Amino acid sequence: AQSVAQPEDQVNVAEGNPLTVKCTYSVSGNPYLFWYVQYPNRGLQFLLKYITGDNLVKGSYGFEAEFNKSQTSFHLKKPSALVSDSALYFCAVRAYMYRDDKIIFGKGTRLHILP
Amino acid sequence: DGGITQSPKYLFRKEGQNVTLSCEQNLNHDAMYWYRQDPGQGLRLIYYSQIVNDFQKGDIAEGYSVSREKKESFPLTVTSAQKNPTAFYLCASSIDWQGFHQPQHFGDGTRLSIL
Repeated sequence: AQSVAQPEDQVNVAEGNPLTVKCTYSVSGNPYLFWYVQYPNRGLQFLLKYITGDNLVKGSYGFEAEFNKSQTSFHLKKPSALVSDSALYFCAVRAYMYRDDKIIFGKGTRLHILP
Repeated sequence: DGGITQSPKYLFRKEGQNVTLSCEQNLNHDAMYWYRQDPGQGLRLIYYSQIVNDFQKGDIAEGYSVSREKKESFPLTVTSAQKNPTAFYLCASSIDWQGFHQPQHFGDGTRLSIL
């Protein structure tokens, strides 16, 4: 089955420390992977995507993500967290089966950056 | 600025009533999507449209209907057949019919509640 998992409901990080938000996936064929961020009562904002090429993808607001094919993971990272990074983060993967082509979203990870 | 506008921001539905959520985009995107967001469940796809006058059911289409008469507009009707409509509804768009390869742009959502 095609799926994406975010194993942590919540991640707490002290301001200035590095942060990691985890994502693992299961799809047939080559994966197309995305990270989005959502602030309260707002829509999702695109951060970055992996289609092909370098395993380290750089995105908006200083975020980056590392694609690991052997571990089927696409973890979101940032070297130094800001309080303003506190939000809900979604990992998503493109899943293609027969003629059904869609994006599957993870359940989200709430990131708290502690001052 | 180009973007997606959802209205109203808050909506209340009485028992047995149909309500329509508006979604308008001025990004000149071909593809549009409706998602439902419930706490702890991520985003679930209700309907999507790859092009004007065409739309497809998503994972949870029962109790919902859509139309796509204009490129910029993709209204969602929540019918009385939807027994648990309380949720945050998000509209999104992407550049073209291969939209699942492209990042999606989201509106700021409509929060629907039952009176």
